Amino acid sequence: QKEVEQDPGPLSVPEGAIVSLNCTYSNSAFQYFMWYRQYSRKGPELLMYTYSSGNKEDGRFTAQVDKSSKYISLFIRDSQPSDSATYLCAMQTGANNLFFGTGTRLTVIP
Amino acid sequence: GAVVSQHPSWVICKSGTSVKIECRSLDFQATTMFWYRQFPKQSLMLMATSNEGSKATYEQGVEKDKFLINHASLTLSTLTVTSAHPEDSSFYICSARDTGTLRTDTQYFGPGTRLTVL
Repeated sequence: QKEVEQDPGPLSVPEGAIVSLNCTYSNSAFQYFMWYRQYSRKGPELLMYTYSSGNKEDGRFTAQVDKSSKYISLFIRDSQPSDSATYLCAMQTGANNLFFGTGTRLTVIP
Repeated sequence: GAVVSQHPSWVICKSGTSVKIECRSLDFQATTMFWYRQFPKQSLMLMATSNEGSKATYEQGVEKDKFLINHASLTLSTLTVTSAHPEDSSFYICSARDTGTLRTDTQYFGPGTRLTVL
């Protein structure tokens, strides 16, 4: 079993839709949870960073962490064509290595 | 802030040659840098962890003699792919951990280097 599981998609939504991206994990020691956005042939860009359980909102993006279920989510409201990218979840136990999901490829159709 | 650059962004080389990729933290100091490899439509695979002034720590299955890592300063780490072969063709991405802030757990990624070995 992989440490981090993420549905690779692809996921296509119309412009303006709410997008829900999810990851599950098996290691209960993970404390830090991130979402990265990666455009084609570019490096990942940190979108959201959350410590432990709870919600965090930043503009159109909301990250949720449910440690009891070992489940994290990223919601994108009012999705735009410029949101089309691959979204990677990542997590770590502390100041150690990041464990990445496989990434979900999102396309927002105008 | 927290910008990481990589050079070159794209390189094509002949089989058997060596290629050096540079990773620089432009506006912060990074005691620790990481090197990842990403194949098409796959996630990032950690190759090695690079610590300034000491030897790199390689992940299982990564040949340390083939992928030479040097982290000579707090802002620069290099990855040299020695005697490259076509199967080494991939997207190589570095990241750096900002030593100077409380968020020492956050990694900032470079834009990646696409290596094609003919």
